[in-house]
Parts: sequence; C-alpha cells; structure tokens
Amino acid sequence: EAQVTQNPRYLITVTGKKLTVTCSQNMNHEYMSWYRQDPGLGLRQIYYSMNVEVTDKGDVPEGYKVSRKEKRNFPLILESPSPNQTSLYFCASSTPGGLGYTFGSGTRLTVV
Amino acid sequence: AQSVTQLGSHVSVSEGALVLLRCNYSSSVPPYLFWYVQYPNQGLQLLLKYTSAATLVKGINGFEAEFKKSETSFHLTKPSAHMSDAAEYFCAVSDRGGNYKLTFGKGTLLTVNP
Repeated sequence: EAQVTQNPRYLITVTGKKLTVTCSQNMNHEYMSWYRQDPGLGLRQIYYSMNVEVTDKGDVPEGYKVSRKEKRNFPLILESPSPNQTSLYFCASSTPGGLGYTFGSGTRLTVV
Repeated sequence: AQSVTQLGSHVSVSEGALVLLRCNYSSSVPPYLFWYVQYPNQGLQLLLKYTSAATLVKGINGFEAEFKKSETSFHLTKPSAHMSDAAEYFCAVSDRGGNYKLTFGKGTLLTVNP
C-alpha cells in the first residue's frame, strides 16, 4: 500500500530534550515536506525537500532541522524543543508537479 | 505570494441540507487548487483537486467544487449533507511547478445537525 509513515504518533517530552520524528514514504517520490497544524492557523510548511540532499526552509523553520540522506526518509529534528513547538505535525510526499500529495497520519507533540 | 482565505471558521448545517464551504485564493500564476478533509484525530484526505482541466471538479463522497477565475474562488459544495460529513475542511493552493508548496487556508469546521 502506498503510504507515508510517521513515528511516533504521540510524543510528550520536556523542554530542551532533543527529539526526532521520522517520516518514510514507499512511493519513490522526490518531493517531501513537513507541516505543522495549529488551531485557527491551518497547516504551515516547516521545511521541504526537492530531492536527496536538497532541502529548504518553508514558512516556519525556526527551531527545526531536517535531513534527506535517502529518497524515502525525511526526518524532522527538534534539537532543543520548546513549549511553542507543541503542535500536530504532518509529513507529506508528492509526485512531480505537486499534484499527488500523500500525507502521513500525523504526530502529536507536546513539549512541557 | 500565494494565499488562501476560507470564509467562516465554522459552518453548521442540518442533515440533508446543502453544504457550501467557501474558498478564495490569491496567486500570481494560474494555480492548482485542492480541498482536503480531516476527520477527528486523523490525517488529511484529498477530496478533490483542480489542475486546469474542467472547471467543475467532482471528488469523493459526493463533493464537488467549481473553479471561477474571475472570482478567484474554489468553493466546495455537496447537495445533501450526511452526519458522516462532520469534519474540518481545508482549501489549499499550489503554484504550478515551483517548489510544490501547498499553502493552506485556516480551515472550516463543518457541523451536521440531525
């Protein structure tokens, strides 16, 4: 089954403790992206990657890092999480041209 | 820069009534347009998309949307609401090519009353 898999689904952590949210897709998509969803704000793009070793900032990149060493994986790294990063995170991948987005099931992160 | 405005953060309809969720976009080039649905505690599911073929787009679950360039709108409709339609709906726009970024509206929560 074609899918984007995120882990973990739920995570509670403390301020300053580094964490990684993994994202993997099995569709051989070149394009991958991370979004965060906050009530009343919709979804906002954090980072995206057009291909292996090619990444760039989205609208809200502060406090996040990403890497794209393999085509299928696009982890999101929070090196020093803060409470304002408490949010619902989605990973997505797409076919060329951005016409065929597939979203993961989401990761609900709480930073206390 | 692209932007999407969804009019009404909360829409309430009766079961069997028309559903109309409004979306207006701003884009410097002819865009791709999408509607996504999010059920409680779930991810995003694509309802339909406009990619410059027919201006009236039919999607899943009986939803459809019409692209109106003169009004820069892409409103979502369904003739008869079901209880199972209760969810949050997001309109999104993407530049053709570019970095494929989806710019989302803030969402509209649809409530369906019995």
